[in-house]
Amino acid sequence: DTGVSQDPRHKITKRGQNVTFRCDPISEHNRLYWYRQTLGQGPEFLTYFQNEAQLEKSRLLSDRFSAERPKGSFSTLEIQRTEQGDSAMYLCASSSPSGGASEQYFGPGTRLTVT
Amino acid sequence: AQSVTQPDIHITVSEGASLELRCNYSYGATPYLFWYVQSPGQGLQLLLKYFSGDTLVQGIKGFEAEFKRSQSSFNLRKPSVHWSDAAEYFCAVGAVGGGFKTIFGAGTRLFVKA
Repeated sequence: DTGVSQDPRHKITKRGQNVTFRCDPISEHNRLYWYRQTLGQGPEFLTYFQNEAQLEKSRLLSDRFSAERPKGSFSTLEIQRTEQGDSAMYLCASSSPSGGASEQYFGPGTRLTVT
Repeated sequence: AQSVTQPDIHITVSEGASLELRCNYSYGATPYLFWYVQSPGQGLQLLLKYFSGDTLVQGIKGFEAEFKRSQSSFNLRKPSVHWSDAAEYFCAVGAVGGGFKTIFGAGTRLFVKA
């Protein structure tokens, strides 16, 4: 399977703990995106990488959130000192640079529950 | 400000009936438009996209959508719905020229009754 993969698929954590999610994009895609989706809403943009450079961060991404893509391949999203409001589905997507289009391919998501 | 509005939170149609899901967008430049479908517990799957050219675009699973610039709309249609089409549908707008941010609507949940 050459699609976008995410790990873990589900994470339950206690408030105040740190969590880290991983995303492996489609191998030839140089753009990688993180979104957050809460119940009954569409995905909300969090951040975007082109290769290893983080080019855009949403104001939704508080100081407790950090994302990396050190070698321009997989990416990690870390949430420090989790809060109950962080409970959501975290989606990763990737796209290729061809044609300047923003068609994105999504992974299955990581569902985070903060208790 | 960029935005996408899906006026219907949920829609119920009978199997075999036709379907139209509404989408209106607000975007300052020429938009790229998408429809995605999300089944429970799954990621988003691209149904179709509009970049330029013919305003009626065909997608997978028998779906089509029509771009109407004058109405800022990009409605999704299917002539005959199958029970397996029950899912959440999201309209989205992206930037022309290498956009890095896609704005999604809140979604429309489709229920299909036998």
